[in-house]
Amino acid sequence: KNEVEQSPQNLTAQEGEFITINCSYSVGISALHWLQQHPGGGIVSLFMLSSGKKKHGRLIATINIQEKHSSLHITASHPRDSAVYICAVRLTGNQFYFGTGTSLTVIP
Amino acid sequence: GAGVSQSPRYKVTKRGQDVTLRCDPISSHATLYWYQQALGQGPEFLTYFNYEAQPDKSGLPSDRFSAERPEGSISTLTIQRTEQRDSAMYRCASSPDRVGNTIYFGEGSWLTVV
Repeated sequence: KNEVEQSPQNLTAQEGEFITINCSYSVGISALHWLQQHPGGGIVSLFMLSSGKKKHGRLIATINIQEKHSSLHITASHPRDSAVYICAVRLTGNQFYFGTGTSLTVIP
Repeated sequence: GAGVSQSPRYKVTKRGQDVTLRCDPISSHATLYWYQQALGQGPEFLTYFNYEAQPDKSGLPSDRFSAERPEGSISTLTIQRTEQRDSAMYRCASSPDRVGNTIYFGEGSWLTVV
Protein backbone atom coordinates (compact mmCIF):
# COMPACT_ATOMS: atom_id res chain seq x y z
CA LYS A 1 0.00 0.00 0.00
CA ASN A 2 1.47 3.34 -1.06
CA GLU A 3 0.45 6.30 1.02
CA VAL A 4 1.82 8.62 -1.67
CA GLU A 5 1.22 8.11 -5.38
CA GLN A 6 2.85 10.15 -8.10
CA SER A 7 2.06 10.41 -11.77
CA PRO A 8 3.43 10.09 -14.29
CA GLN A 9 6.35 7.83 -13.34
CA ASN A 10 8.31 8.96 -16.37
CA LEU A 11 7.93 12.08 -18.45
CA THR A 12 9.75 13.28 -21.55
CA ALA A 13 9.17 16.82 -22.76
CA GLN A 14 10.53 19.17 -25.38
CA GLU A 15 12.35 22.23 -24.16
CA GLY A 16 9.89 25.03 -23.51
CA GLU A 17 6.91 22.81 -22.70
CA PHE A 18 4.74 23.29 -19.64
CA ILE A 19 5.06 20.30 -17.32
CA THR A 20 2.77 19.02 -14.59
CA ILE A 21 3.59 16.32 -12.07
CA ASN A 22 0.84 15.09 -9.77
CA CYS A 23 0.89 13.72 -6.25
CA SER A 24 -2.00 12.12 -4.39
CA TYR A 25 -1.87 10.92 -0.81
CA SER A 26 -4.15 8.93 1.42
CA VAL A 27 -3.15 10.02 4.93
CA GLY A 28 -3.73 13.11 7.00
CA ILE A 29 -0.74 15.37 6.69
CA SER A 30 0.68 18.50 8.24
CA ALA A 31 2.69 19.48 5.17
CA LEU A 32 3.80 18.32 1.74
CA HIS A 33 7.26 18.71 0.24
CA TRP A 34 8.41 18.63 -3.34
CA LEU A 35 11.98 17.42 -3.73
CA GLN A 36 14.32 17.31 -6.70
CA GLN A 37 16.81 14.50 -7.01
CA HIS A 38 19.65 15.19 -9.40
CA PRO A 39 21.19 12.53 -11.64
CA GLY A 40 24.18 12.44 -9.29
CA GLY A 41 21.86 11.48 -6.43
CA GLY A 42 21.71 14.69 -4.40
CA ILE A 43 18.28 15.75 -3.14
CA VAL A 44 17.17 19.36 -2.91
CA SER A 45 14.02 20.56 -1.22
CA LEU A 46 12.00 22.73 -3.62
CA PHE A 47 8.84 23.57 -1.73
CA MET A 48 7.05 22.97 1.53
CA LEU A 49 3.29 23.44 1.32
CA SER A 50 0.51 23.23 3.84
CA SER A 51 -2.09 25.08 1.78
CA GLY A 52 -2.59 27.05 -1.40
CA LYS A 53 0.16 27.73 -3.86
CA LYS A 54 3.83 28.68 -3.94
CA LYS A 55 5.97 29.95 -6.80
CA HIS A 56 9.73 30.02 -7.18
CA GLY A 57 11.04 31.09 -10.53
CA ARG A 58 9.62 28.76 -13.16
CA LEU A 59 8.33 26.33 -10.56
CA ILE A 60 4.82 26.44 -9.13
CA ALA A 61 3.43 24.07 -6.52
CA THR A 62 -0.20 23.80 -5.48
CA ILE A 63 -1.99 21.74 -2.90
CA ASN A 64 -5.64 20.92 -2.29
CA ILE A 65 -5.93 19.59 1.25
CA GLN A 66 -9.57 18.50 0.87
CA GLU A 67 -8.79 16.45 -2.24
CA LYS A 68 -5.40 15.26 -0.86
CA HIS A 69 -3.68 16.26 -4.05
CA SER A 70 -0.73 18.40 -5.04
CA SER A 71 0.76 19.40 -8.36
CA LEU A 72 4.18 20.64 -9.35
CA HIS A 73 4.30 22.72 -12.52
CA ILE A 74 7.35 23.75 -14.50
CA THR A 75 6.90 26.54 -17.00
CA ALA A 76 9.20 26.96 -20.01
CA SER A 77 11.00 23.70 -19.23
CA HIS A 78 14.72 23.46 -19.82
CA PRO A 79 17.11 20.48 -20.12
CA ARG A 80 18.61 21.41 -16.76
CA ASP A 81 15.22 20.64 -15.20
CA SER A 82 15.85 16.97 -16.00
CA ALA A 83 15.76 15.16 -12.67
CA VAL A 84 13.58 12.97 -10.50
CA TYR A 85 10.88 14.90 -8.68
CA ILE A 86 9.70 13.39 -5.43
CA CYS A 87 6.60 14.23 -3.44
CA ALA A 88 6.89 13.72 0.32
CA VAL A 89 4.18 14.15 2.92
CA ARG A 90 4.83 14.89 6.56
CA LEU A 91 2.52 13.42 9.14
CA THR A 92 1.73 15.19 12.37
CA GLY A 93 4.24 12.99 14.16
CA ASN A 94 7.11 14.21 11.96
CA GLN A 95 7.24 10.97 10.00
CA PHE A 96 7.53 11.32 6.25
CA TYR A 97 6.12 9.20 3.45
CA PHE A 98 7.64 9.55 0.00
CA GLY A 99 6.39 8.92 -3.48
CA THR A 100 8.52 6.84 -5.81
CA GLY A 101 9.33 9.88 -7.92
CA THR A 102 8.70 11.16 -11.42
CA SER A 103 11.65 10.96 -13.76
CA LEU A 104 11.64 14.01 -16.02
CA THR A 105 13.75 14.33 -19.16
CA VAL A 106 13.65 17.60 -21.07
CA ILE A 107 14.98 17.32 -24.60
CA PRO A 108 16.62 20.34 -26.25
CA GLY B 1 29.18 22.56 8.68
CA ALA B 2 28.10 23.97 5.34
CA GLY B 3 25.84 21.04 4.51
CA VAL B 4 24.78 17.62 5.70
CA SER B 5 27.77 15.33 5.46
CA GLN B 6 27.59 11.56 5.38
CA SER B 7 30.29 8.95 5.52
CA PRO B 8 31.30 6.67 4.08
CA ARG B 9 29.88 7.56 0.68
CA TYR B 10 30.28 3.97 -0.48
CA LYS B 11 30.55 0.83 1.57
CA VAL B 12 30.79 -2.77 0.42
CA THR B 13 30.50 -5.34 3.15
CA LYS B 14 30.12 -9.06 3.44
CA ARG B 15 26.86 -10.56 4.55
CA GLY B 16 26.81 -10.98 8.29
CA GLN B 17 29.13 -8.08 9.06
CA ASP B 18 28.07 -5.04 11.06
CA VAL B 19 28.11 -1.63 9.40
CA THR B 20 27.97 1.86 10.91
CA LEU B 21 27.07 4.89 8.83
CA ARG B 22 27.66 8.43 10.02
CA CYS B 23 25.73 11.64 9.52
CA ASP B 24 27.03 15.07 10.40
CA PRO B 25 24.07 17.45 10.16
CA ILE B 26 24.17 21.17 9.60
CA SER B 27 25.40 22.78 12.77
CA SER B 28 22.71 23.44 15.40
CA HIS B 29 19.96 21.75 13.39
CA ALA B 30 17.36 20.38 15.77
CA THR B 31 15.99 17.49 13.76
CA LEU B 32 17.82 14.70 11.99
CA TYR B 33 16.20 12.08 9.77
CA TRP B 34 17.40 8.77 8.40
CA TYR B 35 15.95 7.30 5.22
CA GLN B 36 16.58 4.19 3.17
CA GLN B 37 16.37 4.48 -0.61
CA ALA B 38 16.49 1.39 -2.79
CA LEU B 39 17.62 1.78 -6.38
CA GLY B 40 14.85 3.29 -8.46
CA GLN B 41 12.60 3.91 -5.48
CA GLY B 42 11.73 6.91 -3.38
CA PRO B 43 13.22 7.27 0.10
CA GLU B 44 11.57 5.42 2.97
CA PHE B 45 11.53 6.82 6.46
CA LEU B 46 13.58 4.95 9.05
CA THR B 47 13.74 7.16 12.13
CA TYR B 48 14.27 10.70 13.30
CA PHE B 49 15.78 12.62 16.21
CA ASN B 50 14.88 15.87 17.90
CA TYR B 51 18.30 16.67 19.28
CA GLU B 52 19.20 13.49 21.18
CA ALA B 53 15.64 12.26 21.62
CA GLN B 54 14.38 9.62 19.20
CA PRO B 55 10.58 10.02 19.16
CA ASP B 56 9.89 7.68 16.26
CA LYS B 57 11.82 4.65 15.12
CA SER B 58 8.88 2.85 13.60
CA GLY B 59 10.47 2.79 10.15
CA LEU B 60 13.46 0.70 11.18
CA PRO B 61 12.97 -2.58 9.27
CA SER B 62 14.16 -4.89 12.04
CA ASP B 63 15.97 -4.95 15.36
CA ARG B 64 19.22 -5.27 13.42
CA PHE B 65 18.91 -1.56 12.69
CA SER B 66 19.64 1.04 15.33
CA ALA B 67 20.45 4.72 15.35
CA GLU B 68 21.98 7.07 17.89
CA ARG B 69 22.47 10.77 18.30
CA PRO B 70 23.94 10.88 21.82
CA GLU B 71 24.90 14.56 21.95
CA GLY B 72 22.21 15.91 19.68
CA SER B 73 24.51 16.54 16.74
CA ILE B 74 26.28 13.71 14.88
CA SER B 75 24.25 10.56 14.35
CA THR B 76 25.13 7.02 13.48
CA LEU B 77 23.03 4.30 11.88
CA THR B 78 24.19 0.78 12.64
CA ILE B 79 23.10 -2.33 10.81
CA GLN B 80 24.06 -5.55 12.52
CA ARG B 81 24.47 -8.89 10.75
CA THR B 82 23.92 -7.29 7.35
CA GLU B 83 21.85 -9.07 4.74
CA GLN B 84 21.79 -8.59 0.98
CA ARG B 85 18.38 -6.94 1.18
CA ASP B 86 19.99 -4.16 3.25
CA SER B 87 21.78 -2.97 0.11
CA ALA B 88 20.50 0.54 -0.54
CA MET B 89 21.37 4.17 -0.21
CA TYR B 90 21.01 5.49 3.31
CA ARG B 91 20.22 9.17 3.40
CA CYS B 92 20.42 11.57 6.27
CA ALA B 93 18.63 14.89 6.38
CA SER B 94 18.49 17.67 8.92
CA SER B 95 16.14 20.51 9.67
CA PRO B 96 16.63 23.64 11.77
CA ASP B 97 13.14 23.31 13.25
CA ARG B 98 11.46 20.47 15.12
CA VAL B 99 8.86 19.73 12.47
CA GLY B 100 10.92 19.55 9.29
CA ASN B 101 9.56 22.62 7.57
CA THR B 102 12.87 23.02 5.76
CA ILE B 103 14.90 19.92 5.10
CA TYR B 104 18.46 19.58 3.89
CA PHE B 105 19.59 16.23 2.57
CA GLY B 106 23.00 14.66 2.62
CA GLU B 107 24.50 12.95 -0.41
CA GLY B 108 23.82 9.54 1.06
CA SER B 109 25.84 6.44 1.82
CA TRP B 110 25.62 3.62 -0.70
CA LEU B 111 25.71 0.26 1.04
CA THR B 112 26.26 -2.94 -0.90
CA VAL B 113 26.09 -6.22 0.95
CA VAL B 114 27.73 -9.09 -0.93
